[in-house]
Amino acid sequence: AQRVTQPEKLLSVFKGAPVELKCNYSYSGSPELFWYVQYSRQRLQLLLRHISRESIKGFTADLNKGETSFHLKKPFAQEEDSAMYYCAFQGAGSYQLTFGKGTKLSVIP
Amino acid sequence: NAGVTQTPKFRILKIGQSMTLQCTQDMNHNYMYWYRQDPGMGLKLIYYSVGAGITDKGEVPNGYNVSRSTTEDFPLRLELAAPSQTSVYFCATKTSGRAGELFFGEGSRLTVL
Repeated sequence: AQRVTQPEKLLSVFKGAPVELKCNYSYSGSPELFWYVQYSRQRLQLLLRHISRESIKGFTADLNKGETSFHLKKPFAQEEDSAMYYCAFQGAGSYQLTFGKGTKLSVIP
Repeated sequence: NAGVTQTPKFRILKIGQSMTLQCTQDMNHNYMYWYRQDPGMGLKLIYYSVGAGITDKGEVPNGYNVSRSTTEDFPLRLELAAPSQTSVYFCATKTSGRAGELFFGEGSRLTVL
């Protein structure tokens, strides 16, 4: 069965420090992978998707098929990055998006 | 455009009561989803629909029912509420297409006592 794993429930970093939120998946085919973010008192929203290969708010994520990972990175954390981050996965031919358990990022001033 | 609208935002139910969570969208999206979010557990898919008249079970469908008579509306029905259904419920929509973005509602916080 396809699965998404986010190993860290909580990640605390200082402002200006690099951030890496880990995401691993188990799937033998070609997946679609996403990062969604939920800021305090806001709706869950898309941050980025691997197919777009874009940088949003300074965040990037590279799909590594060999390691089955899609880690989210930012070189210099800002206080406004504090939020809940979810990695999400969609398999080929599937209509369902499977979410990881989420990582709460806390950026310390 | 309102996007995805969920009602009610908050509700307290007694064990055994029933209720319907409403979800309506004005984005003309074919795909609609219901997720529940429990602390430390992420989002789990309850039911989804790929178009009017078509619904299918997700990961955790027991205790819930849905219908999709129109493109705009996708209500979630709880029959015989149980404390295990205490959660935050999110409705979401997506255009067709595999890499499409999910658009979420604000959520409905349900407590069953």
